[in-house]
Amino acid sequence: DAGITQSPRYKITETGRQVTLMCHQTWSHSYMFWYRQDLGHGLRLIYYSAAADITDKGEVPDGYVVSRSKTENFPLTLESATRSQTSVYFCASSVEQGRGYTFGSGTRLTVV
Amino acid sequence: AQKVTQAQTEISVVEKEDVTLDCVYETRDTTYYLFWYKQPPSGELVFLIRRNSFDEQNEISGRYSWNFQKSTSSFNFTITASQVVDSAVYFCALSEEGSQGNLIFGKGTKLSVKP
Repeated sequence: DAGITQSPRYKITETGRQVTLMCHQTWSHSYMFWYRQDLGHGLRLIYYSAAADITDKGEVPDGYVVSRSKTENFPLTLESATRSQTSVYFCASSVEQGRGYTFGSGTRLTVV
Repeated sequence: AQKVTQAQTEISVVEKEDVTLDCVYETRDTTYYLFWYKQPPSGELVFLIRRNSFDEQNEISGRYSWNFQKSTSSFNFTITASQVVDSAVYFCALSEEGSQGNLIFGKGTKLSVKP
């Protein structure tokens, strides 16, 4: 299917476990982003990527790792999950800076 | 530093009322882009509009209209004759030319439209 897909939609994990959230887009957009959404904070940027093999930190990168070996994939890994990482995570892509950003459906992650 | 402020946390209106959602931004760049997104109760983020800093024309799309004023650094969104389906959280966002496409979001305004 064309578009941007995130998996899983829902995930429950235990504190200390490693978990990876997947993001795949079919448009070959250069730019990809990970945001987390928390009540009272809106959406905050975790990491972004301007192209394959180019990634950079956003506002709240601590505890997260990303990679982008292929243009279409941008996985987000929580190396050792903490309760404070319980959130809804959104992946987004854009063909170029300033263009409309398309968001995935989100992953609701609960760390217990 | 870039910043987006949506001072209205929650707004409640009755159907058919007009409602304006405020957005004030801060940036040092002369080239930037402003966006509005809608997040309905189902949770997805829906793109509504994009404006670049050189285009101050107001825009109307059906019941939706946007008022961009650089002099006051505002990009307000008005819904005319609101409907229950307009109930959602609305986010204003800013992207600066040199930010590699990063979107900075306001904290959102929750709009409830009651029948």
